[in-house]
Amino acid sequence: QVQLVQSGAEVKKPGASVKVSCKASGYSFSDYYILWLRQAPGQGLEWVGWINPNSGDTSYAQTFQGRVTMTSDTSIRAAYMELSRLRFDDTAIYFCAKDYGPDSFGWYFSDSWGQGTLVTVSS
Amino acid sequence: QSVLTQPPSVSAAPGQKVTISCSGSSSNIGNNYVFWYQQFPGTAPKLLIYDNNKRPSGIPDRFSGSKSGTSGTLGITGLQTGDEADYYCGTWDTSLNAVVFGGGTKLTVL
Repeated sequence: QVQLVQSGAEVKKPGASVKVSCKASGYSFSDYYILWLRQAPGQGLEWVGWINPNSGDTSYAQTFQGRVTMTSDTSIRAAYMELSRLRFDDTAIYFCAKDYGPDSFGWYFSDSWGQGTLVTVSS
Repeated sequence: QSVLTQPPSVSAAPGQKVTISCSGSSSNIGNNYVFWYQQFPGTAPKLLIYDNNKRPSGIPDRFSGSKSGTSGTLGITGLQTGDEADYYCGTWDTSLNAVVFGGGTKLTVL
C-alpha cells in the first residue's frame, strides 16, 4: 500500500533553515507529484507547493517564494522541502502528500499523506 | 483569512443529516473542481470527496458532494459520533496559482 514517511520533529531558531524529508513506498514514485502543505497549531491547511519527482519541476505558493526549495531523489524515492529564513509564524506541522494523479479532473489533492513533521521556531 | 468560506461549526444529532457549505469565487470554485478533507485531531487529512462529487474507494455513500456556481457543499447523512472532526474544502485558484482552502468546519454530533 502507499506509504509516505516523514522525518522527525525539528526545533529551529529564527533565521535558520529546516529540511523535511518524505520517503515514499508502495507506488511508482516518479509518476506522481508530491504536494507539500502545512498547518499551524489550531489553524487550517495552507498550500506550500508541489514537485514533479520525474522532472524536478516545482511550483511554490507566492507566500513562500524565495524561501522554499523542493527537491527529490528518485533513486531513494524521497522528496524534500527546505524552508529558509524561518520566522516564528512558520511553526506548523508540515505534510507531504502524493498527488491523486491523472484519474481526476481536479488538481493537486491527495488520498495519501505523510504523518506530518512538526517544525517549531523558537528562540 | 481563508480564500474559501466555510461555517466555523455545525452540529446535528446522531442519525441526522448535515451539510457544510464552501463559498468561493469565479477564480477558484467557479472554474475548478472541489475536494473535501476530513481531519481528526493529531492526524493527517483524509480525502472524502474529489471532482465535486466523487468518493474515493472506501468512503461510504453517507458522504456526498455537490457544486453549484461558486459554492460547494458536503453532505453527511446518518451521522455517527465517529464523524466528529474538522472538514476542509479546497480547490485550485487560477488567479493565485495555488490550492486554496476554507478555514475548516468543526462538526459536532450531539
